This record gives sequence, C-alpha cells and structure tokens, in this order.
Amino acid sequence: EDQVTQSPEALRLQEGESSSLNCSYTVSGLRGLFWYRQDPGKGPEFLFTLYSAGEEKEKERLKATLTKKESFLHITAPKPEDSATYLCAVFGRTYKYIFGTGTRLKVLA
Amino acid sequence: DVKVTQSSRYLVKRTGEKVFLECVQDMDHENMFWYRQDPGLGLRLIYFSYDVKMKEKGDIPEGYSVSREKKERFSLILESASTNQTSMYLCASRRGQGGETQYFGPGTRLLVL
Repeated sequence: EDQVTQSPEALRLQEGESSSLNCSYTVSGLRGLFWYRQDPGKGPEFLFTLYSAGEEKEKERLKATLTKKESFLHITAPKPEDSATYLCAVFGRTYKYIFGTGTRLKVLA
Repeated sequence: DVKVTQSSRYLVKRTGEKVFLECVQDMDHENMFWYRQDPGLGLRLIYFSYDVKMKEKGDIPEGYSVSREKKERFSLILESASTNQTSMYLCASRRGQGGETQYFGPGTRLLVL
C-alpha cells in the first residue's frame, strides 16, 4: 500500500536557523513526488516536483532532494514568512496522489 | 500561472440542505479533483474527473456527487448536508495522465450546523 509519512509533525526554528523536513514514502512505481506549502485557511501552493532519485530543485531558501525512500525539504536561513505547513505527496502506479499529514513550521523572529 | 478558483471561501449551511461547491480552472486541464482536508487526516480524495461528463469515485465518495458539464468547471454537490461534512474542501486540476503536478484552489471552509 502506498504511504507517506512526514516528520517532524511540528518544528520551531529561530530566524536564520537552517533545518530539514523529511518525507518518507513507499509507493509502487513512483511517477512524481510533490512538495506544497499551505498557509492557514488557504489551499496548498505548489513548490516542487521531483521525478527520480538524485534529483534536486531549489527555490529561494528552499531545496528539495529525493532518494528512493525519502525526500527532504531543506530550509536555509529561514525567515518568519516561511512559517506554514509543508505537505508532501506521491503519485505512483495506482494513479492516485497520496498525501502526508504535513509538517507545521514556525519561524521565530 | 495556473489559476484555480472556488466559488466561496466560507459557507455556513444547515443539516439537510443541498450544497453546491463550484471550481473553475483556466489552464485547459483535463483532470479535476475534489478533496476534503481534516486535521490529522490529511487530504482525502472525494471524486475526480478526467474529462467532461466523466467522473470517478475517490476514497470517500459517500454523501457527495459531482458534475462536470464543461472542461473548466467541476462542481461538488452535497445532496443532504450533515454535520460530519464540516470540513475544508479543496479543488485541484492537472494536465495529462501521468505524474504531472496538481494545482489547488484557495479552498472552501464549510460549516454544517
């Protein structure tokens, strides 16, 4: 059964304190792994799509990496405006998106 | 930029009412989806549509129906709203049939009293 587990559930960082969020997955025939950012009361905002192990993508202070079992979202020198819930999802041979329950990130000034 | 819009940000309805949630996308995407999001449960797929007038049940279709009469519009219908349908409803769209990215709308927070 396809499954996504995100850790930690919640993370508090000081401004400038770099860290990583983890997305562990099991999926039959990975066709894509997706990262989204979600602000309270809003819809998920697309960040990255990764397709194969070894792939990396960057956007401002965020960098996503992918291995055969997990993906990391690295946040470098975060700012308070990076506070949000970060969601991970996979898409495999079942042709369904499987979402994790997210990591709630709080960056303190 | 992909634009997915939802008809309402907030809705308050009474038990037993028929509720319509509308979603429109402007990128000519073939596929559209309805999810609900609840704390601790993540996103759960209600229905999806891969073409006009086509629909497929997701993981939790009970109590819901959908309509897709035009490519850009996908409606979710709660035939007789119940309190356990209080939730955040998210619409998404996607091009193609493979591992392409889903793009989400802003969400509708529905409260059923």
